[in-house]
Amino acid sequence: DQQVKQNSPSLSVQEGRISILNCDYTNSMFDYFLWYKKYPAEGPTFLISISSIKDKNEDGRFTVFLNKSAKHLSLHIVPSQPGDSAVYFCAASARDSNYQLIWGAGTKLIIKP
Amino acid sequence: GAGVSQSPSNKVTEKGKDVELRCDPISGHTALYWYRQSLGQGLEFLIYFQGNSAPDKSGLPSDRFSAERTGGSVSTLTIQRTQQEDSAVYLCASSPGVRQPQHFGDGTRLSIL
Repeated sequence: DQQVKQNSPSLSVQEGRISILNCDYTNSMFDYFLWYKKYPAEGPTFLISISSIKDKNEDGRFTVFLNKSAKHLSLHIVPSQPGDSAVYFCAASARDSNYQLIWGAGTKLIIKP
Repeated sequence: GAGVSQSPSNKVTEKGKDVELRCDPISGHTALYWYRQSLGQGLEFLIYFQGNSAPDKSGLPSDRFSAERTGGSVSTLTIQRTQQEDSAVYLCASSPGVRQPQHFGDGTRLSIL
């Protein structure tokens, strides 16, 4: 069973607009969440994380929102830039396995000029 | 500074052969992880090393897979008697400790003919 789900395989956004990437999870023990970005033929690159004690974390153009009651998190990119075109993965870890990350299948973000 | 280095970047081999994949983590990182990514899927955890502790091998898919980490640094992942379903990108990551973002290498793309 997929404990971390990214239901949109791809998303297309106009340059300059907001990109919103969504992630849902099922395990209520998850308390640490991360977003990674991946270009073709490269390894994932860490973007931003959030602990379950917070509901928002911001870093420059990237903001992650966590809704624990809905078991949902989202990554907002504002404004979107051509270099943001990549596959975005969300990942989560649980209190009882604090090093093992469970990954979503990824969402391919395409920024249109 | 140097990031996580993996070699080879690509490996093509015949079914039944053994393969060895290498990972050089970031200097000073005590935690090392191996993942596997099949086409269109998220990352699948394989094995975790932390310092001198016994590794967590719970993600290894079969006894044909093994990994070691020598001197707390370089790690090798060995797959014996390869099968076609072993074809995937094998990613290595390291982190300064647990609950800290993992830094990834660019992976080894393994193709079993």
